[in-house]
Amino acid sequence: SQQGEEDPQALSIQEGENATMNCSYKTSINNLQWYRQNSGRGLVHLILIRSNEREKHSGRLRVTLDTSKKSSSLLITASRAADTASYFCATDAFGGYKLSFGAGTTVTVRA
Amino acid sequence: NAGVMQNPRHLVRRRGQEARLRCSPMKGHSHVYWYRQLPEEGLKFMVYLQKENIIDESGMPKERFSAEFPKEGPSILRIQQVVRGDSAAYFCASSLGRDQPQHFGDGTRLSIL
Repeated sequence: SQQGEEDPQALSIQEGENATMNCSYKTSINNLQWYRQNSGRGLVHLILIRSNEREKHSGRLRVTLDTSKKSSSLLITASRAADTASYFCATDAFGGYKLSFGAGTTVTVRA
Repeated sequence: NAGVMQNPRHLVRRRGQEARLRCSPMKGHSHVYWYRQLPEEGLKFMVYLQKENIIDESGMPKERFSAEFPKEGPSILRIQQVVRGDSAAYFCASSLGRDQPQHFGDGTRLSIL
């Protein structure tokens, strides 16, 4: 079974709105990372949050981590059409390098 | 562009042939990882290499699949006697250290006829 699972599977929003997606995982982690994947492309690293951190910001991105609930959320504020992509969370429960990905959340931002 | 470079971007093989996928890590990175992505799924870890050494190949099928990262040149993922089920996108990532962010290439999409 997958370590990280994103929710919802798909999200459609209007440009300018915020997009929130969640990630749940099963075992203890050292850190959790969020990636973006545009259609037909590789993954782009967005943000890494360590297990002793609760919140992290990067531009229009805000990531939270709740290790007691084994969950994380990614918030994209003031969304743009260019944010249309699939978003994956990845955890490193198995030794720091073996990332375990969920099936992702597909975000569509309508102009 | 100093990103992770993978080639070819698309590879078509007939059943029984060999597929060789190449990955040049980011400049200065000596840690390389290979992942496989099936349609509508997340990436699955295959193998982790650090210059000339295989550190962890627990995600790689025992037969037909092999990986190397020689002292000189790119990392190679080799699939011998390909079957239809090998059709997938194969991604390579590299990092500065084993607990540092992994940076991904654009992948090789392998299609088996």
